[in-house]
Amino acid sequence: GAGVSQTPSNKVTEKGKYVELRCDPISGHTALYWYRQSLGQGPEFLIYFQGTGAADDSGLPNDRFFAVRPEGSVSTLKIQRTERGDSAVYLCASSPRLADYNEQFFGPGTRLTVL
Amino acid sequence: GENVEQHPSTLSVQEGDSAVIKCTYSDSASNYFPWYKQELGKGPQLIIDIRSNVGEKKDQRIAVTLNKTAKHFSLHITETQPEDSAVYFCAASTAGAGSYQLTFGKGTKLSVIP
Repeated sequence: GAGVSQTPSNKVTEKGKYVELRCDPISGHTALYWYRQSLGQGPEFLIYFQGTGAADDSGLPNDRFFAVRPEGSVSTLKIQRTERGDSAVYLCASSPRLADYNEQFFGPGTRLTVL
Repeated sequence: GENVEQHPSTLSVQEGDSAVIKCTYSDSASNYFPWYKQELGKGPQLIIDIRSNVGEKKDQRIAVTLNKTAKHFSLHITETQPEDSAVYFCAASTAGAGSYQLTFGKGTKLSVIP
């Protein structure tokens, strides 16, 4: 595709529910990054992938958060037992390779609201 | 871990004037410093970056300076235009020397008044 796409654009859920957020990177990009952006803050790193493997997941806040990229393209961020504090915009970015870190292209984000 | 401080949080300038945004970082191993522009409802867009082996970089109306000794870097926008109005973020990374994660500042909301 022309850019990074993320679905859904908005997600409203209730406390305790499970959600999945999807990221479609730019075609051919092997590196994929997830960030979380709370209101009025800068993006906060969560995890990045090189291919199918999570190369660095040190930013995941706890074990309720998990991300996969089974075929090295689309990635899904999964949040279990959502809490109100999980409300934020979840951003995905991709680059041709990790070594091309200066070419991170961001998607528009998924706005998650936990009621 | 890395900590990035950004100032000011809001900045209003008259069209045609210059705008300067400053950031400091804590990790001396950081070697890559990008600046992103984020418009409402969109993801951040890279506008300029600098690596630790360079002191200054310029691209048309935008320039970035880096002082490694003081651990601070700045974004300079000259001849500002209304379309420059957005939130700007600085970031730092130890790319290639540790992790490729970006640590962002809290952002500066720039308003250019016509």
